[in-house]
Amino acid sequence: GENVEQHPSTLSVQEGDSAVIKCTYSDSASNYFPWYKQELGKRPQLIIDIRSNVGEKKDQRIAVTLNKTAKHFSLHITETQPEDSAVYFCAASKPSNTGKLIFGQGTTLQVKP
Amino acid sequence: KAGVTQTPRYLIKTRGQQVTLSCSPISGHRSVSWYQQTPGQGLQFLFEYFSETQRNKGNFPGRFSGRQFSNSRSEMNVSTLELGDSALYLCASSFIGLAEETQYFGPGTRLLVL
Repeated sequence: GENVEQHPSTLSVQEGDSAVIKCTYSDSASNYFPWYKQELGKRPQLIIDIRSNVGEKKDQRIAVTLNKTAKHFSLHITETQPEDSAVYFCAASKPSNTGKLIFGQGTTLQVKP
Repeated sequence: KAGVTQTPRYLIKTRGQQVTLSCSPISGHRSVSWYQQTPGQGLQFLFEYFSETQRNKGNFPGRFSGRQFSNSRSEMNVSTLELGDSALYLCASSFIGLAEETQYFGPGTRLLVL
């Protein structure tokens, strides 16, 4: 069935270090992979996404890579800052499943000043 | 543009009662998806509505239902509430609900069932 595995569940880094969160999806028909950031008590907000025809995408300090063969995608945050502390969710969707995102379990990122 | 809005923001109900939650999508968005967020199960898809029709449904019991109005606003209803229904209920809107469209989330309705 449809499944997205996300690791690690918690991640603690020092300010200025890099953080990497990894996700694996099960359905090879998946073609869209967004990443959401959810701060405590707030709504999930899209930070970056990637489509299956692209291998990598960058936006300032954030990058996402996709390996379709391995059904694996990762979020990379460089030069982390305390305001990056939040829960990060990866997700996947496929054309036959309108409006449906399958989410990973989330990663709680703590950036220590 | 105004973002996705949800009302009410907080609800306390008792077991056996029913509840209706409301979601207003971003202007021009016609697809509304609903998700349940709990610490144990994470974010789980409930259903998606487009043009007043349920197009997709997750694995939730029939106690969970929804509808969409002609202005794209959506409601979800949970009948015969159980303790396990306590959760944050999030709705998200997108233009027409294609897999590659960004979904924009509302602030959620936090439901507590006692």
